[in-house]
Amino acid sequence: SQQGEEDPQALSIQEGENATMNCSYKTSINNLQWYRQNSGRGLVHLILIRSNEREKHSGRLRVTLDTSKKSSSLLITASRAADTASYFCATDRGNQFYFGTGTSLTVIP
Amino acid sequence: DTGVSQNPRHKITKRGQNVTFRCDPISEHNRLYWYRQTLGQGPEFLTYFQNEAQLEKSRLLSDRFSAERPKGSFSTLEIQRTEQGDSAMYLCASSLVGGYHEQYFGPGTRLTVT
Repeated sequence: SQQGEEDPQALSIQEGENATMNCSYKTSINNLQWYRQNSGRGLVHLILIRSNEREKHSGRLRVTLDTSKKSSSLLITASRAADTASYFCATDRGNQFYFGTGTSLTVIP
Repeated sequence: DTGVSQNPRHKITKRGQNVTFRCDPISEHNRLYWYRQTLGQGPEFLTYFQNEAQLEKSRLLSDRFSAERPKGSFSTLEIQRTEQGDSAMYLCASSLVGGYHEQYFGPGTRLTVT
């Protein structure tokens, strides 16, 4: 079963626009991570945010975490066609790891 | 290439046969994870090892599934008496020990049970 859920399930934007996707989870976590999966390629780690952090940046990525609401958001700024992929949040609950259902992002050139 | 490798990349088997997949993690990584991913879904956690110890296996899908990491290096995932519902991508990942290390994923083994 999946602990996390991403929203929206699918998102289509023009190149250069920003993309925001959200993740909700059900129980307390140690950290939350975001991964990208391109069609036909493996999962690639994007960013990790610890449970005691509220915001983190990495290049064009900005992640926020609200543990009181059990939610996180991933913002991709100035999107590129190469950002087209599925994005998953993953939560670490100690000995178990849960991925969400994913957001499919399409960036139109 | 020093990334996570998995073999075979594709496996077609008949229902009822046993299959075994291999994962070679990044050499300095102590932790190794197995996941299953079906079309349109996120990876589903199955089990993980720290060195040779299997620390969590309650999420293995049934007693037909088993995993080993005998010397704390490579790992194998075995599925006995395969069923058509076992058809999926099986992913392996590795990481350093600790709560704040990302997992590095291999390319996966795609299993098709006919």
